[in-house]
Amino acid sequence: AQSVAQPEDQVNVAEGNPLTVKCTYSVSGNPYLFWYVQYPNRGLQFLLKYITGDNLVKGSYGFEAEFNKSQTSFHLKKPSALVSDSALYFCAVRDDNFNKFYFGSGTKLNVKP
Amino acid sequence: NAGVTQTPKFQVLKTGQSMTLQCAQDMNHEYMSWYRQDPGMGLRLIHYSVGAGITDQGEVPNGYNVSRSTTEDFPLRLLSAAPSQTSVYFCASSYRPNRAINSPLHFGNGTRLTVT
Repeated sequence: AQSVAQPEDQVNVAEGNPLTVKCTYSVSGNPYLFWYVQYPNRGLQFLLKYITGDNLVKGSYGFEAEFNKSQTSFHLKKPSALVSDSALYFCAVRDDNFNKFYFGSGTKLNVKP
Repeated sequence: NAGVTQTPKFQVLKTGQSMTLQCAQDMNHEYMSWYRQDPGMGLRLIHYSVGAGITDQGEVPNGYNVSRSTTEDFPLRLLSAAPSQTSVYFCASSYRPNRAINSPLHFGNGTRLTVT
């Protein structure tokens, strides 16, 4: 069965500093991995997805994700955090049959001025 | 292009009442799904559909029914509301993999349901 884990409930970072939101995955076949962001009272917005062969994937709003097969990780990163990046972030994996997405429990990112 | 539209945005029900949460998408997505979001539990899949006339259960299907008579619409029915169904409900859609592999989900803005 597919699953993702987000080990941190909350990440705090100062504006201008780099940020990392962690995600580890467990899949039985090829990993179809995604990151989403959720702002208050809104639905989830797609940020980026893993593309086979690319260890660094670039996405929306300056975010990128680093894929590491040996560590089964897909960490979300940004070189310089903005206060407006404060939101809830979800990692997700799509299963081998492609009919289900499994989401992590979410990480709340707080960026302080 | 409206994307995924959910109605209503808010709803309060009494225990035992029934209601239908509406979801419509205009992206010609074959795959549609319903999730509930509860604090500390992430998103849990309730039901999903891979095309008109085809539905299947997710992780937490009890107490909910779905149907898919058209590609665009995927309503979620609560048969007899219970306080445990108080949650935020999200509808999401995507292309099927044989059309666009690795297609991400597109989400509506949610329905906040309270059952008293």
